[in-house]
Amino acid sequence: NAGVMQNPRHLVRRRGQEARLRCSPMKGHSHVYWYRQLPEEGLKFMVYLQKENIIDESGMPKERFSAEFPKEGPSILRIQQVVRGDSAAYFCASYSTGDYEQYFGPGTRLTVT
Amino acid sequence: GESVGLHLPTLSVQEGDNSIINCAYSNSASDYFIWYKQESGKGPQFIIDIRSNMDKRQGQRVTVLLNKTVKHLSLQIAATQPGDSAVYFCAEKDSSYKLIFGSGTRLLVRP
Repeated sequence: NAGVMQNPRHLVRRRGQEARLRCSPMKGHSHVYWYRQLPEEGLKFMVYLQKENIIDESGMPKERFSAEFPKEGPSILRIQQVVRGDSAAYFCASYSTGDYEQYFGPGTRLTVT
Repeated sequence: GESVGLHLPTLSVQEGDNSIINCAYSNSASDYFIWYKQESGKGPQFIIDIRSNMDKRQGQRVTVLLNKTVKHLSLQIAATQPGDSAVYFCAEKDSSYKLIFGSGTRLLVRP
């Protein structure tokens, strides 16, 4: 039973480019969270999605950031026109209704040069 | 002993000793708490959880204590091993099921 998968594991982008981060939840899980982690800090909530629905995006910057979780395929976190301050590790977590535990993926480390 | 470094507070313990990592949480309405372990370059790994109707829960070599009066959570690791070296985060869960993470403590185990 594969765990949460994220790709790419490392992503380098120049300022102004777009970054696309993918997350495949655990089999049978239809809820996905995205978190951002700056070096030496805890994870900060960004967005909570169910299939085809954004439930809570209160932690996501209003501009340049978007997320989706389509009926088929992985969840995508998209960052347009990246800036150096977007450099961070981005983690997704999935869970199943009735199970409190969130299972985390290995993360995508984004570096903006 | 415990010290505050430039960034994460660090707890340094001798292999075989017990470790206690503390955490203060913010929301008195949170009803579920989790401890995560994060090794370098990896995602958080679930260690143990506790609901607000309990004040203690034990796992294998780990114990979590919850004091709701002062909004304090602690993780005790018995007979600490080198493989326990990592950053430990507490997290609280609110009504939306999103996790609110604490700032973390780095545990260093001296051989």
